[in-house]
This record gives sequence, C-alpha cells and structure tokens, in this order.
Amino acid sequence: QVQLQESGPGLVKPSETLSLTCAVSGYSISSGYYWGWIRQPPGKGLEWIGSIYHSGSTYYNPSLKSRVTISVDTSKNQFSLKLSSVTAADTAVYYCAKDLGYCSGGSCYSGAVDIWGQGTMVTVSS
Amino acid sequence: EIVLTQSPGTLSLSPGERATLSCRASQSVSSSYLAWYQQKPGQAPRLLIYGASSRATGIPDRFSGSGSGTDFTLTISRLEPEDFAVYYCQQYGSSPPRLTFGGGTKVEIK
Repeated sequence: QVQLQESGPGLVKPSETLSLTCAVSGYSISSGYYWGWIRQPPGKGLEWIGSIYHSGSTYYNPSLKSRVTISVDTSKNQFSLKLSSVTAADTAVYYCAKDLGYCSGGSCYSGAVDIWGQGTMVTVSS
Repeated sequence: EIVLTQSPGTLSLSPGERATLSCRASQSVSSSYLAWYQQKPGQAPRLLIYGASSRATGIPDRFSGSGSGTDFTLTISRLEPEDFAVYYCQQYGSSPPRLTFGGGTKVEIK
C-alpha cells in the first residue's frame, strides 16, 4: 500500500524559502509515475504546483515556475519542494501526491492523482 | 490552458436524494481525461472517477461519471450521510504535463 508523508516547517517568514519533503513508502519512486505537489489555501480550491518524473524531469505551474524547484532523492525514496520568496499568499495546506502520468515516445503526460499525502499546513508570517 | 468551471457552487440536498454535479471545460478534453475527487473537511482529496467514467478502487457504485468533450457530470445516485463533502473535477493527459482543477462543488445537507 503506497503512502505519502509530508514533513517540514509549519511557519515560514516572508521572503524566505519554503521547504517540504515527501517520504514515499510501499512503492519505489524509481519504478515510475509522476510525484508532485498540490496546495490549497484556507477555504479555497486546489492548485497544482508541479511534478517530477522518476527520471528527474520536472514540470511546473507557469504561474509559480520562477519560484519553484522540485527534486527527487531515489536513494531515500523521497521528493522535495522548494518555493522561494514566499508571501502571505503562499499560506496553504501543501499536499504531496502520486500522479499516474507517464512518458512515452518522447512525450510526457499528466495523469489522475491516485494517492495523496495527508497534507501539511504552512503559514507565511513574520 | 484548459479552464474547468464547476456548477453549482453549492448543492443543498437531503440524504437519499440524487446529486448531479457539472464540470465544463473551456476546450475539449482529449480522450476524456477527466477525474473527480471528493474532499471532506480536514482530509486530503480522494480519487473517485478517472477517464470520465471509471470508478477508482473501492468507490461505491452509487458514484458515476459521464460526459465527453467539454461537458462532464458526476452523479451520486442516492446520497449517504458520508457523501456530504466538496467535489472537484480535474483535467489531465496534457503534454507537457500539468494538472488543472475546477473550483469545486460543495454538497451540503439540506
């Protein structure tokens, strides 16, 4: 049974970098699929931040691309999110997720999200 | 970029009633790459439907999805108390990969 668990600071100061890690159990990241981050501001809807393929290829939401870095550590079976220059607008619950996307014939495609972490609340405040 | 518009914003129904939720895309969704999720307060979303009409593992058959092109529907045939929640649609299958969510429909107890 695949499980995802987010970890990281719950409070980040404005202009600093938000850093979160997602530990994966029950499945080897190296085996495939996309691994991504999705956030949800309090009382609002879901926003995709970005995803990383097991090979290391990354895809980001264009609205956040300049501030986002997603990386993978296959030796630890985990992947990470860094979001720089945060403001109060980045306050949200951050979910890590397994995306059923794939790459084939030189093109890569997103998929439905079948596994979600429990989510971690990150507040941006001084 | 495809924009997904869900309606209504809130649906007030009683247990046992039928719920019909709509998700409209700004352009055609290829190969019916449309998913539906259920989210209860304080919980992560849960995948209900993928490929517009296929139920995910363990999802009761009172949940059904339909539609193609730009118009998709999630139907809950008879609402159970545990079905009152927020429902999101999501488009996938794009290249380069990106995930797009609708704004959500809240199904509340009348």
